[in-house]
Amino acid sequence: NAGVTQTPKFQVLKTGQSMTLQCAQDMNHEYMSWYRQDPGMGLRLIHYSVGAGITDQGEVPNGYNVSRSTTEDFPLRLLSAAPSQTSVYFCASSWGGFRIYEQYFGPGTRLTVT
Amino acid sequence: KQEVTQIPAALSVPEGENLVLNCSFTDSAIYNLQWFRQDPGKGLTSLLLIQSSQREQTSGRLNASLDKSSGRSTLYIAASQPGDSATYLCAVNTNAGKSTFGDGTTLTVKP
Repeated sequence: NAGVTQTPKFQVLKTGQSMTLQCAQDMNHEYMSWYRQDPGMGLRLIHYSVGAGITDQGEVPNGYNVSRSTTEDFPLRLLSAAPSQTSVYFCASSWGGFRIYEQYFGPGTRLTVT
Repeated sequence: KQEVTQIPAALSVPEGENLVLNCSFTDSAIYNLQWFRQDPGKGLTSLLLIQSSQREQTSGRLNASLDKSSGRSTLYIAASQPGDSATYLCAVNTNAGKSTFGDGTTLTVKP
């Protein structure tokens, strides 16, 4: 299993540009989430999904969109990039069984908005 | 709103010492709590998961405890090694797919 994969690893955007961060998992996990991590801080939840076709907002959803058309994929779209969105973005997935919500993380995407 | 606090923010110890990292949370209605390790510039590696019905979990030199009623968890590291140097994060899971993280404790183990 590849686990949770994220692309790209690094990205530089200009203010106002849009882009999509990709996240995929091959563990048949029901739950998937997007987080951002700013320097010296923990992770803050952006959006999450409890299954295909179902998404909900986390703590810091503004400026981001998500959709979940398949179990495997959970892309994160930045609509109009702002310097405040410079951060490291992590995608995570988890199972809905006994070890419910035990999260597995991707390697992250480091985004810089100039 | 769930809030998670980790104390201390940074800790430096000599090699071989036993140490305790603390995590506290404000809402005791949790499903489970997960401890992670993060190396600089890297992703998160899961260390231990404690279900809400459990009191502790052990893996090698690591032992995590959970006291749900008081909103506290501790991560005990025995016989610390320089390779244990990293940031340790705890995450509390209260709703489906929704986790709240602490800001982490950065541990440095000096040879």
